[in-house]
Amino acid sequence: EVQLVESGGGLVKPGGSLRLSCAVSGFTFSSVWMTWVRQAPGKGLEWVGRIMSANDGGTADYAGFATGRFTISRDDSKNTLYLQVNNVKAEDAAVYYCATDCTGGACPNNYYYGLDVWGQGTTVTVSS
Amino acid sequence: QSVLTQPPSVSAAPGQKVTISCSGSSSDIGNNFVSWYQQVPGTAPKLLIYQNNERPSGIPDRFSGSKSGTSATLAITGLQTGDEATYYCGTWDTSLSARGLFGGGTKLTVL
Repeated sequence: EVQLVESGGGLVKPGGSLRLSCAVSGFTFSSVWMTWVRQAPGKGLEWVGRIMSANDGGTADYAGFATGRFTISRDDSKNTLYLQVNNVKAEDAAVYYCATDCTGGACPNNYYYGLDVWGQGTTVTVSS
Repeated sequence: QSVLTQPPSVSAAPGQKVTISCSGSSSDIGNNFVSWYQQVPGTAPKLLIYQNNERPSGIPDRFSGSKSGTSATLAITGLQTGDEATYYCGTWDTSLSARGLFGGGTKLTVL
């Protein structure tokens, strides 16, 4: 069974930095594309960005708001996905989810072109 | 404001049918597959429909998806109280660089 477990959320000051992690088990992590999605309190889902597998180039794409301050990376040796956020703003407060991205690469359950498996989310609070 | 437009809420009685629309454009829905997600309050979203109309294993056939042109629709028949949730459509915008898109979400109330 594929499992995703996010961590690294918590309280961060405006202007600070944070790094979220997403540990993946039950599947060959190196072959999957991965996505970050966030959800501000009481709001809808917002796509943050995704990273391809190394075999497909390993490049990352970002939402407009994430370009410049957000960096998605992966360590295939640790089966872990990361989201680095710099110069944190109040509007970055949200639950952050990682998900397997079946738009490309391998797909754990073969549900192609969907976000197949989701983690439980990690909460980021922004306050001084 | 989301690029994909969904009604904020829908409601129907148990046993009835409800449809949720998702409207986009030629650069997103018009040229890409649509997926649907169900989110019960306090939990992570769950994949409900992929590739416009395919159901993952374990999703009842009461849930169905369709797509026509630049719009997609989620239909739920035989409504149950357990279907109360917020439903999101999702797709890609491949006009410039690839980026994911979600609708604003539709809260379903089973009266």
